[in-house]
Amino acid sequence: GQQVMQIPQYQHVQEGEDFTTYCNSSTTLSNIQWYKQRPGGHPVFLIQLVKSGEVKKQKRLTFQFGEAKKNSSLHITATQTTDVGTYFCARHASGGSYIPTFGRGTSLIVHP
Amino acid sequence: KAGVTQTPRYLIKTRGQQVTLSCSPISGHRSVSWYQQTPGQGLQFLFEYFSETQRNKGNFPGRFSGRQFSNSRSEMNVSTLELGDSALYLCASSSHVTGSAGELFFGEGSRLTVL
Repeated sequence: GQQVMQIPQYQHVQEGEDFTTYCNSSTTLSNIQWYKQRPGGHPVFLIQLVKSGEVKKQKRLTFQFGEAKKNSSLHITATQTTDVGTYFCARHASGGSYIPTFGRGTSLIVHP
Repeated sequence: KAGVTQTPRYLIKTRGQQVTLSCSPISGHRSVSWYQQTPGQGLQFLFEYFSETQRNKGNFPGRFSGRQFSNSRSEMNVSTLELGDSALYLCASSSHVTGSAGELFFGEGSRLTVL
């Protein structure tokens, strides 16, 4: 199937350290979305990337879409305790079919 | 603008029973999709409705069904519950009309425990 592999599964960091999660696909992605889910909460949309090589920033968060549109990354600079949660990437099948596939997520634990 | 509302938030059922979950999308959103989230399988797509029609379906058995009403509210039903159906069921609405996905707005979910 059209899976997206997300690594790492867990990441422990000290507050102030940087964090990166990666999303990889064996097939070309039409677009990639990123969501954040706080513990006990629900996924919240962060961003959507569409163009090859696209880079978008949201304050301390930087999102990248690979040149070949087969991978994406989310980088957080100087993590804070408010960044704790699970970050998911999601791909959508191309060709007009709306069936989103989510990565397994990366759980970020920030130690104060 | 009110967000996506799901009811009930928590429920406990026994094997063999059936359950109905409800989802009210953001006003004006006509696409409603459902997801099952478990620690073992992650976030998995169940189905998506648009204008009362099921447009897409994930890889779940026929015990899982849904419908959408003319006001875009949606329900999903799980019959003959199994222990493995214990999960957080999430509903999401979207304003996107075409098959390509836009931003998904998730509800807080319905946590189902099957005993």
